[in-house]
Amino acid sequence: GQQVMQIPQYQHVQEGEDFTTYCNSSTTLSNIQWYKQRPGGHPVFLIQLVKSGEVKKQKRLTFQFGEAKKNSSLHITATQTTDVGTYFCAVLKDTGRRALTFGSGTRLQVQP
Amino acid sequence: ETGVTQTPRHLVMGMTNKKSLKCEQHLGHNAMYWYKQSAKKPLELMFVYSLEERVENNSVPSRFSPECPNSSHLFLHLHTLQPEDSALYLCASSREPPGQPGDTQYFGPGTRLTVL
Repeated sequence: GQQVMQIPQYQHVQEGEDFTTYCNSSTTLSNIQWYKQRPGGHPVFLIQLVKSGEVKKQKRLTFQFGEAKKNSSLHITATQTTDVGTYFCAVLKDTGRRALTFGSGTRLQVQP
Repeated sequence: ETGVTQTPRHLVMGMTNKKSLKCEQHLGHNAMYWYKQSAKKPLELMFVYSLEERVENNSVPSRFSPECPNSSHLFLHLHTLQPEDSALYLCASSREPPGQPGDTQYFGPGTRLTVL
């Protein structure tokens, strides 16, 4: 079945440093979604990528979809304490069972 | 955010109890979902309802029983749970069924369940 690996599991950075999380799939993806969950909160949708090589930006966040549509990354420039949380990628499962599979998430801690 | 609400927010129950979790979405969406989130585990999809029809059942034990009486409401009936069922149970909805454009998921705040 669909395997989604997300790395790293955890990252601790100093405020102002950059941060990147990666999502890798064993199969070609139709699209990928990214979510953020603050401590004690619930996942909130950030963005969806559909096209091969697509790059989207939201302020300090840059999302990229690989050319082969098997991997994606989320990069945060100059982290702030408000970026603390867990970032999940979500991909569509194999045909026949169409529902999102979430990665294990990357927990980001930002030291002020 | 009040698009998806869940009650109760916290629940403590014994293994012999029967309880129900409720989810309501005010977004006019057509699909609703139940997820389980345990510590140190990824989000686990439990059930998917699309247009009130169950379209996904991820090998969930029968002690969890979902109900979707209409497109705005989703329930999760619980009975004879085990301590390992303690987790955060998240409800979500999406405008379109999974796999369709517009299947972005909107999550509720969750019910923190503790089984003694």
